[in-house]
Amino acid sequence: EAGVAQSPRYKIIEKRQSVAFWCNPISGHATLYWYQQILGQGPKLLIQFQNNGVVDDSQLPKDRFSAERLKGVDSTLKIQPAKLEDSAVYLCASSSSGRDYNEQFFGPGTRLTVL
Amino acid sequence: SQQGEEDPQALSIQEGENATMNCSYKTSINNLQWYRQNSGRGLVHLILIRSNEREKHSGRLRVTLDTSKKSSSLLITASRAADTASYFCATDEGNTGFQKLVFGTGTRLLVSP
Repeated sequence: EAGVAQSPRYKIIEKRQSVAFWCNPISGHATLYWYQQILGQGPKLLIQFQNNGVVDDSQLPKDRFSAERLKGVDSTLKIQPAKLEDSAVYLCASSSSGRDYNEQFFGPGTRLTVL
Repeated sequence: SQQGEEDPQALSIQEGENATMNCSYKTSINNLQWYRQNSGRGLVHLILIRSNEREKHSGRLRVTLDTSKKSSSLLITASRAADTASYFCATDEGNTGFQKLVFGTGTRLLVSP
C-alpha cells in the first residue's frame, strides 16, 4: 500500500513570497490533516478535512494560510505572504476516518525555509 | 491548544538499557498515543492507550496512563541503536466525535552501541 505522498520535499523562499504544498493521502482515506512542526517542537494541527469538508481549522492563520481538498482526495496548503516564523516542516497525514480512533499515517513532510 | 510537556527533553543510554519517558497533559482526553520520529521513517504511530485503560504492552513497549494525574509514561525495554529517535505523546482531545491530536514537545532518545 502506498503511503502519504507530499511534494516538494524542500522549499526555500524569501519572506513575503507565496508557496504551496501538495499532499496525496492513502487511497480511500476520508480524513486528511495538515500539521506544522517547528524545529524542536511537536506537530501542531493546522486543518482537518473529512472528505472535502473542513472539520477543524481553528489553528490555521487564515490571514495568510489557506487549504483546499476540492475532490476529497489530494490537498494543497498555501501560504501567502510567508513570514520568517513560517519556517517549519509541514506534515500531511491521513486516516480512514476522522471519527473516534483511526490511526493517522504521516507523509515525509515539506521542509520550508523562509529567508 | 497547549502542547503537553514531555520529560526528559533528551535521554542518552547504552544499548540493552531501558528508556523511560514521561508525558503530562492539561485537559480531559479520549485516548493518548505515542509516536516516534526519525529522519528515516518520519512520524510513525507506536501505541495507543484509551482513557479507561491503565497499562498497555506492545512488544518492547509499555505504556501507562494516570488520568487523575494527567500523565503517561512510555518504557522501551532492551533498547537498540535503531530506537534512536524523537518520541512524542499525543492526546486525542476531540469533543465533536472527530479525533483531534495535540502533540507534546517530545523526548530525544539516543541509544549508543
